[in-house]
Amino acid sequence: AQSVTQPDIHITVSEGASLELRCNYSYGATPYLFWYVQSPGQGLQLLLKYFSGDTLVQGIKGFEAEFKRSQSSFNLRKPSVHWSDAAEYFCAVGARGLTGGGNKLTFGTGTQLKVEL
Amino acid sequence: DGGITQSPKYLFRKEGQNVTLSCEQNLNHDAMYWYRQDPGQGLRLIYYSQIVNDFQKGDIAEGYSVSREKKESFPLTVTSAQKNPTAFYLCASAVKLQFVAQETQYFGPGTRLLVL
Repeated sequence: AQSVTQPDIHITVSEGASLELRCNYSYGATPYLFWYVQSPGQGLQLLLKYFSGDTLVQGIKGFEAEFKRSQSSFNLRKPSVHWSDAAEYFCAVGARGLTGGGNKLTFGTGTQLKVEL
Repeated sequence: DGGITQSPKYLFRKEGQNVTLSCEQNLNHDAMYWYRQDPGQGLRLIYYSQIVNDFQKGDIAEGYSVSREKKESFPLTVTSAQKNPTAFYLCASAVKLQFVAQETQYFGPGTRLLVL
């Protein structure tokens, strides 16, 4: 069974500073990897995903993530954080295995990002 | 505009009462999912459906029921058997492509269920 670890529960950065959110996964085969963002009281918005190919993926809002198989990691980065990036960020790993062929998504427990002005 | 809608935004349940959360999508997606979100626990899968008139239990199905009579709709009923229903409930959907294993799930805005 797959699992996801987000080791940082809370992170605070200053506006304009760079950001890196950590995500480690456990899965026996090639994983499908996702980052979602959630603002308070809202649903999850997809930031980016990795299925195969180039290990550096670009997403919306200036975010990028790098898949490192040797480290079982999929860290999220942004070169310059804006105050509007304050939210909770979830890493997820997807794998086939649901009845009917669907993908099971396993989520990390999230990282709450605070941006200081 | 295509998307996923969930209603109501807030729902209050009395002791012993069943309540139903609505999830509708106009994305023409085949697969639909229900998740429960509790603080500090990430999201957990309650039920899922890959096709109309078929659905399967997820990891925490006890105390919940669903139906899938239409492609666009996947309502979730929280029954009185669910002893701790207070949570944020998220619906998601995904397109299923033949011969493609990967899928991307898109989420609705959520319903917060509170117990009176």
